[in-house]
Amino acid sequence: EAEVAQSPRYKITEKSQAVAFWCDPISGHATLYWYRQILGQGPELLVQFQDESVVDDSQLPKDRFSAERLKGVDSTLKIQPAELGDSAMYLCASSNSRGGVAQYFGPGTRLLVL
Amino acid sequence: QQQVKQSPQSLIVQKGGISIINCAYENTAFDYFPWYQQFPGKGPALLIAIRPDVSEKKEGRFTISFNKSAKQFSLHIMDSQPGDSATYFCAASGMAKLSFGAGTTVTVRA
Repeated sequence: EAEVAQSPRYKITEKSQAVAFWCDPISGHATLYWYRQILGQGPELLVQFQDESVVDDSQLPKDRFSAERLKGVDSTLKIQPAELGDSAMYLCASSNSRGGVAQYFGPGTRLLVL
Repeated sequence: QQQVKQSPQSLIVQKGGISIINCAYENTAFDYFPWYQQFPGKGPALLIAIRPDVSEKKEGRFTISFNKSAKQFSLHIMDSQPGDSATYFCAASGMAKLSFGAGTTVTVRA
């Protein structure tokens, strides 16, 4: 069964450092999403890609967060500099349609900022 | 502003019992309503989903009931098993964006 791959699974960093997360969506899925999930809450969308283009980044803190999907396949989410409040699970999801239907999530990257 | 409100926050059920989780929404543009199951340290897994033109959908022990006029939908877990212990999220999709509820932690006692 095809799955969304993410790495690393865990990341511990000090505040003001840079961190990067990688996501490889299910093969053939044109739509890719990055979510942030704070412990005890539901996922919140950070950015949505359709192929290599950003469709929605209205909730992405652009002063410190950036995301790219250069070839329309895998994607990288970067935080620079990391802050204590960035500690969360970062989830990647993909979908084979333009709409928000049937999104499949990866295992996530648990980030701890010290 | 949370677009999907979910309750209860947590529930405990005996093995073999029925778990019921409720969600409500305001945005009538939502056109797809999935439920996700999440185990600790894992990503959410799509469990079952429904569109607003259907009032009920059943897959195995999981059933979604949908009330379009009331803008409410619910998940029923029949014959709950210890392996069902997890956090369940309802969600709603519209305009290509998925909005999640806050989650319900279900504990099934053996």
